[in-house]
Amino acid sequence: QLQLQESGPGLVKPSETLSLTCTVSGGSISSSSYYWGWIRQPPGKGLEWIGSIYYSGSTYYNPSLKSRVTISVDTSKNQFSLKLSSVTAADTAVYYCARLDYGDSDAFDIWGQGTMVTVSS
Amino acid sequence: QSALTQPASVSGSPGQSITISCTGTSSDVGSYNLVSWYQQHPGKAPKLMIYEGSKRPSGVSNRFSGSKSGNTASLTISGLQAEDEADYYCCSYAGSSTFYVFGTGTKVTVL
Repeated sequence: QLQLQESGPGLVKPSETLSLTCTVSGGSISSSSYYWGWIRQPPGKGLEWIGSIYYSGSTYYNPSLKSRVTISVDTSKNQFSLKLSSVTAADTAVYYCARLDYGDSDAFDIWGQGTMVTVSS
Repeated sequence: QSALTQPASVSGSPGQSITISCTGTSSDVGSYNLVSWYQQHPGKAPKLMIYEGSKRPSGVSNRFSGSKSGNTASLTISGLQAEDEADYYCCSYAGSSTFYVFGTGTKVTVL
């Protein structure tokens, strides 16, 4: 059964770069039918799609975050990663990684449990 | 790209049916049959309930159904149960510039 697990620092200082990794287990990140994405949720607020990546490295980002976001993939480790630069308190959120079933449902069908990241000095 | 508009809250008694709307524009909901719905219990990750507007993933109760008319998608929960109390979010593909946009979220309360 495919599982996703986020990892990374829970506290980041303002103006620094937030870095998170999602480890995929129980299946290959190199499957041709799937993209892999990051979605965040500020405390008490709604979901926001950040961006997605294909195993080949092809990426697409939320236009509102594009200038600060980099998503990369490491197929040898079955992982993909998020970097968000120049963070502010507004970037405080639970960050989820998720699988986008591009080949079938075109929906985020499997999610990680999420990891809380707080931006504070 | 603004978030899709959902009512902040919807409530119903056990056994009743409720409907949650998700209003977008001709650039997202109205242009693509790619609306998905997610259920989120407090402190938990979202769970896919409906995809491509009206299809249910394996394991999701048939009490959940989806539809679309114009720029508005809807999620209906029939035979409301206590376990359905959660937040619900719609999501739509919005083309090759914006890609994906989520709704504002709806809190469902079972009275």
